[in-house]
Amino acid sequence: KAGVTQTPRYLIKTRGQQVTLSCSPISGHRSVSWYQQTPGQGLQFLFEYFSETQRNKGNFPGRFSGRQFSNSRSEMNVSTLELGDSALYLCASSAGQDYSPLHFGNGTRLTVT
Amino acid sequence: KQEVTQIPAALSVPEGENLVLNCSFTDSAIYNLQWFRQDPGKGLTSLLLIQSSQREQTSGRLNASLDKSSGRSTLYIAASQPGDSATYLCAASSGSARQLTFGSGTQLTVLP
Repeated sequence: KAGVTQTPRYLIKTRGQQVTLSCSPISGHRSVSWYQQTPGQGLQFLFEYFSETQRNKGNFPGRFSGRQFSNSRSEMNVSTLELGDSALYLCASSAGQDYSPLHFGNGTRLTVT
Repeated sequence: KQEVTQIPAALSVPEGENLVLNCSFTDSAIYNLQWFRQDPGKGLTSLLLIQSSQREQTSGRLNASLDKSSGRSTLYIAASQPGDSATYLCAASSGSARQLTFGSGTQLTVLP
């Protein structure tokens, strides 16, 4: 069974630009969550999508948005990039039940210059 | 607001030693607690998930326990190997089962 796939693996963007990250969950998983990992703040929850609907949202500004498609693939968009957005962005999928473990991809490393 | 703390931040042990990693959380109203490992430059690998109604889970050389009343979880690694070297993260879910609050991790080095 293929794991969670995130593309691209690395991105370099300039301040003010926008970026879109992609995540393909494990086959059959309907829940996709996004996390940001930085050395200073650690891992922080961004949002979760289930069956194309945002179910939960973390404490991030509106520049961070996402969506989920009917095949459960998800995209995350960050507009008007800031230097502080440089981070490893991790996507996790799960079957969606309360006791389903989260399975993470290898992440997209975003560098904003 | 849930807060998760992991002690120690770093640990170095000789190969073959049994070891315990600690995790504490402030809000006992959790859905579950999950342990992960992260290798440098990689994503997270799920190790064990303990449901809120459970006390422990085992997988191979790993055993994780959960004590909600004291807000603590431990990860026990038996007969450590150099391949166990990684950062170990615990995460508690509260509010939503998939909204995890992570600790800052314990960086484990197992010396051959």
